[in-house]
Amino acid sequence: ETGVTQTPRHLVMGMTNKKSLKCEQHLGHNAMYWYKQSAKKPLELMFVYNFKEQTENNSVPSRFSPECPNSSHLFLHLHTLQPEDSALYLCASSQGGTGIGYTFGSGTRLTVV
Amino acid sequence: TQLLEQSPQFLSIQEGENLTVYCNSSSVFSSLQWYRQEPGEGPVLLVTVVTGGEVKKLKRLTFQFGDARKDSSLHITAAQPGDTGLYLCAGGPSGAGSYQLTFGKGTKLSVIP
Repeated sequence: ETGVTQTPRHLVMGMTNKKSLKCEQHLGHNAMYWYKQSAKKPLELMFVYNFKEQTENNSVPSRFSPECPNSSHLFLHLHTLQPEDSALYLCASSQGGTGIGYTFGSGTRLTVV
Repeated sequence: TQLLEQSPQFLSIQEGENLTVYCNSSSVFSSLQWYRQEPGEGPVLLVTVVTGGEVKKLKRLTFQFGDARKDSSLHITAAQPGDTGLYLCAGGPSGAGSYQLTFGKGTKLSVIP
């Protein structure tokens, strides 16, 4: 039990589908993050939420839409994705927005067909 | 743009051998973290170093932060098959109000029994 739970673990979706990834943390952390991990590339930060407020959006295409209803839950809504969006999507949380001491979830392996 | 270069990219060794992996940058970081990621899972934080020249030990793992806070190394003594995984270094945010960690591409370690 890592304290950060992501669902689903695996997702296959067509380019015209709409789906959502869910992340939940029970660590009392106030900052939550979405990262994308592709083969042969470093982890890419997508979005940061601190106390439910989005504080960073690293030029992510609008087909990815985050939602943070409270400090414990984070969603990533997906629509009209491209095959190059296939990757492992990782959620993380930390106490404070400084990034020290990230706890990652197990990730959602997304395949876009 | 801050970059972290990790070397080597791949390392395959026999059980019982020692090894060192490196994380280098031309940028100064406020902190440096090391994570280990196993297949199908998210990265797990091993250690955070914050002071230039700092050395931390975690059982058979020794972590060092460079004096100038631009580089770090991870040394494993008497490697075991359980050490197999992807080792990622991440540099802490360098600017006020910044929440972004900079990740290296990782070193993939295989320890052969």
